[in-house]
Amino acid sequence: GQQLNQSPQSMFIQEGEDVSMNCTSSSIFNTWLWYKQDPGEGPVLLIALYKAGELTSNGRLTAQFGITRKDSFLNISASIPSDVGIYFCAGQLIRGGSEKLVFGKGMKLTVNP
Amino acid sequence: DAGVIQSPRHEVTEMGQEVTLRCKPISGHDYLFWYRQTMMRGLELLIYFNNNVPIDDSGMPEDRFSAKMPNASFSTLKIQPSEPRDSAVYFCASSYPSGGVTDTQYFGPGTRLTVL
Repeated sequence: GQQLNQSPQSMFIQEGEDVSMNCTSSSIFNTWLWYKQDPGEGPVLLIALYKAGELTSNGRLTAQFGITRKDSFLNISASIPSDVGIYFCAGQLIRGGSEKLVFGKGMKLTVNP
Repeated sequence: DAGVIQSPRHEVTEMGQEVTLRCKPISGHDYLFWYRQTMMRGLELLIYFNNNVPIDDSGMPEDRFSAKMPNASFSTLKIQPSEPRDSAVYFCASSYPSGGVTDTQYFGPGTRLTVL
């Protein structure tokens, strides 16, 4: 099946530091999304990207849709303790009239105060 | 709005038993999704419905799994018989009628299933 390679798998940073994570695939996606999951909860959408090359910000978050449509990155600036969680990338796949999201394995972020 | 509601939040059962997971989507949403999350495989789409009709069930692992959506406000995911490898967190999500699949999907809190 389709796979998204998300890296790194985990990061430990100090409060105030910036963090970057990315996703790559051998397939072309029409849309890239980034989600965050807190412990015991479902994923929550952070940013959606709809066009190749698009750069979008949401507060301290910045994400870009790669030109090749096979990758995306997410940056978090000036991290704070509540940024702790698991971050997932997801790509939209359209096959045979069906649309579905394919998720990366997630990046676990720990922020030390 | 209460958001997507799932029940039960936790389920522990023995191998061979039938398990039924329930989901109430956000009112007015016409897409409903069932996902499974494990450490090994991450978050996987099992099946999704549009206007109560199953659109893509290619992610359903095998015949032991079945999903229904009898009306716009209720869906079930059933596993019969359950096996230890079915242990996972199962999420239900729903999305807006004006958007497509990739518009904001609102996830429920999940059901943590343990099959002994």
